[in-house]
Amino acid sequence: KAGVTQTPRYLIKTRGQQVTLSCSPISGHRSVSWYQQTPGQGLQFLFEYFSETQRNKGNFPGRFSGRQFSNSRSEMNVSTLELGDSALYLCASSWGTGGFNEKLFFGSGTQLSVL
Amino acid sequence: GENVEQHPSTLSVQEGDSAVIKCTYSDSASNYFPWYKQELGKGPQLIIDIRSNVGEKKDQRIAVTLNKTAKHFSLHITETQPEDSAVYFCAASRDNQGGKLIFGQGTELSVKP
Repeated sequence: KAGVTQTPRYLIKTRGQQVTLSCSPISGHRSVSWYQQTPGQGLQFLFEYFSETQRNKGNFPGRFSGRQFSNSRSEMNVSTLELGDSALYLCASSWGTGGFNEKLFFGSGTQLSVL
Repeated sequence: GENVEQHPSTLSVQEGDSAVIKCTYSDSASNYFPWYKQELGKGPQLIIDIRSNVGEKKDQRIAVTLNKTAKHFSLHITETQPEDSAVYFCAASRDNQGGKLIFGQGTELSVKP
């Protein structure tokens, strides 16, 4: 069974640009969550999508957005990039039954560098 | 706000020794506590989890204990091996939070042969 797939693995952008990251969940999983990982702030929750709807949201500015498609694949977009957006962006999938806590399965992440 | 504190930030042990990592959470409504292991260049991997209706859970060399009254939980690794070397994260969440976990800052475990 394939795991969570994130593309691309590495990205280099310059300030002011925008970027789109992609995540394919484990087959059958309907929930996709996004996290930002930095040495200073650790792992921080960005948002979660379930059935093409944002179900939970963290404390990030509106420059960070996402969406989910009918096949559960998800994309995350960051507009007007800032140097501080340099981070490892992780996607995690789960069954998405909601209500009760679920086991999250993470991908290997996309390493974004903003110059 | 919700917060999870994790200690120590680094831990070095000899192969065969035990390792203990401790976490404290602030949200008394938290009821799910997973532990993740992250190796270099990889995403976090779930190694064990516990729910608030259970005080202890074991899986081979790994165990987790939970003290709801004190709001802390711990990861215990016995008979450590070099391949246990990684960064370990604790996390907490509560009902209806879906995929939202509050993570601790991580513990870099080094197991010396």
